[in-house]
Amino acid sequence: GEDVEQSLFLSVREGDSSVINCTYTDSSSTYLYWYKQEPGAGLQLLTYIFSNMDMKQDQRLTVLLNKKDKHLSLRIADTQTGDSAIYFCAVSGGRGSTLGRLYFGRGTQLTVWP
Amino acid sequence: NAGVTQTPKFRVLKTGQSMTLLCAQDMNHEYMYWYRQDPGMGLRLIHYSVGEGTTAKGEVPDGYNVSRLKKQNFLLGLESAAPSQTSVYFCASMSPGATEAFFGQGTRLTVV
Repeated sequence: GEDVEQSLFLSVREGDSSVINCTYTDSSSTYLYWYKQEPGAGLQLLTYIFSNMDMKQDQRLTVLLNKKDKHLSLRIADTQTGDSAIYFCAVSGGRGSTLGRLYFGRGTQLTVWP
Repeated sequence: NAGVTQTPKFRVLKTGQSMTLLCAQDMNHEYMYWYRQDPGMGLRLIHYSVGEGTTAKGEVPDGYNVSRLKKQNFLLGLESAAPSQTSVYFCASMSPGATEAFFGQGTRLTVV
């Protein structure tokens, strides 16, 4: 199966940019996602990128995809205390994988200090 | 606009007890999934279904059974709960070829 790796913790000061990194192993994955989970809550889809794209920007969020290195990053500009949460990288299964199945990283706990 | 609804939201079980978690979606999605989330881990796939009447094993199926008798419902059963099944369980659904899976709010299960 797919292995998805991401660092576990990130701390930033309010107003700074946050960059959360993720690596994956299956180059045939079609879609790559970023989810946000606040304490005690479910998963909120933040954004996703198609595998034939290099970059996607959505307001304060920028997703960069380096398909050669199988590296995905999420940049949050002007990070706010309300951005404190766990961020999950997830990739769709590639060729031969379970239909629609997502592979998740362990999640990065983002802490934003005022 | 209910989306994906999980019942119950919280439950405490004693070791050896049984229970069923219900996932209901009102979006006419073909595909449905059960994941579990443990501290410090990403979500792992337990079982999934690609249509009414069909089910299949995911990554961590042991100790669980599922049924999909109706398209809108996907049930996850624990026949004899164990402390190792203490977790947060998420249900998801999606349409074939779609880009987004929709997740429920989760069921927090504690087995003592």
